[in-house]
Amino acid sequence: EPEVTQTPSHQVTQMGQEVILRCVPISNHLYFYWYRQILGQKVEFLVSFYNNEISEKSEIFDDQFSVERPDGSNFTLKIRSTKLEDSAMYFCASSGTSGRNEQFFGPGTRLTVL
Amino acid sequence: GEDVEQSLFLSVREGDSSVINCTYTDSSSTYLYWYKQEPGAGLQLLTYIFSNMDMKQDQRLTVLLNKKDKHLSLRIADTQTGDSAIYFCAEIGGSQGNLIFGKGTKLSVKP
Repeated sequence: EPEVTQTPSHQVTQMGQEVILRCVPISNHLYFYWYRQILGQKVEFLVSFYNNEISEKSEIFDDQFSVERPDGSNFTLKIRSTKLEDSAMYFCASSGTSGRNEQFFGPGTRLTVL
Repeated sequence: GEDVEQSLFLSVREGDSSVINCTYTDSSSTYLYWYKQEPGAGLQLLTYIFSNMDMKQDQRLTVLLNKKDKHLSLRIADTQTGDSAIYFCAEIGGSQGNLIFGKGTKLSVKP
């Protein structure tokens, strides 16, 4: 069964460093999302991406964040200058064209900012 | 803004039924979803219900939707230890389909 994959599973970085989190969505999906979950808190929407551009973003997704689909398979989230409060689990999700908006999630990348 | 609320913990004995409840605010969400998260894993879509339906049954899972009260529930029949996980209720939050999640209900199943 096709699945969303994410790398790395765990990333440790120093405050102020740039990180890139990578995702490979399900191959025939068209809609892509990033969410994050700070430990003990809700899963929060960051950004959605369709047709090679951002379609919606939350207040969390400020200028420090960017997304890219550099080729036909990868979908990346870049955090330009990480802060301690960026420590969280980051989930990528993708969905197809069905009206049911069934989003399939990857296993997540745990980002730890020291 | 949109919000989804769930109780945080539920403990049941193996073989009993579990009922996980959720309230939501956005009545325009066309679908509502239940996701399961096992320890160290991602979010797995368990089931969904179209907003025009009152009930949906899928093997051991029954979803009940009360649109008037904006109340959604997930019933797991004959709960097994493998059902132990965190269960998230979600509604569609934006025009591009982003999901709004509750905090999740941690289900513990005792043998």
